[in-house]
Amino acid sequence: KNQVEQSPQSLIILEGKNCTLQCNYTVSPFSNLRWYKQDTGRGPVSLTIMTFSENTKSNGRYTATLDADTKQSSLHITASQLSDSASYICVVTLTGGFKTIFGAGTRLFVKA
Amino acid sequence: DVKVTQSSRYLVKRTGEKVFLECVQDMDHENMFWYRQDPGLGLRLIYFSYDVKMKEKGDIPEGYSVSREKKERFSLILESASTNQTSMYLCASNFRVGPTNNEQFFGPGTRLTVL
Repeated sequence: KNQVEQSPQSLIILEGKNCTLQCNYTVSPFSNLRWYKQDTGRGPVSLTIMTFSENTKSNGRYTATLDADTKQSSLHITASQLSDSASYICVVTLTGGFKTIFGAGTRLFVKA
Repeated sequence: DVKVTQSSRYLVKRTGEKVFLECVQDMDHENMFWYRQDPGLGLRLIYFSYDVKMKEKGDIPEGYSVSREKKERFSLILESASTNQTSMYLCASNFRVGPTNNEQFFGPGTRLTVL
């Protein structure tokens, strides 16, 4: 069964600290993996995308990694800011580009 | 800037009512999607459309129907709303291109409460 599991469900960190969010997937055949950020009351916005051959991708303070062998991805946030408080959703697309599987998300709270 | 708009941010309806949720995108995208988002479950695909008048069932189509009469507009219809359809509804769109150009652009969502 195609699944995307994220951990932790929620996370509280202090402003300025780093954190890492995890995503494990059992999707096949794999095409690409995206991380989305969803602010409260808004729709998700894409942060990064990685294909099978890419193992890291950065977008400012956000760095995503992908291990296609173990089917794991992580999203690392450096020097967190209050505006990083949001849900982070891992999304895997199957080959063909159409079928996408969404993780349930990690809710991140950054406190001053 | 891509813009996907949804007709309402908040909606309260009664059981049995017919409910229309409208979505409009301004980027000439071929594909449009309707999802519902519930805590702990992630986004689940209800229906999608890859062209005008074309529609495909997603993972949870029961109790819903859709309409796409124009390329920029995709409507979700709840024929007879039930309390278990209380949820956040998100519309998205993207181009029909290669698998790595499949970023979906989302609207702000409609929070529907069925009493």
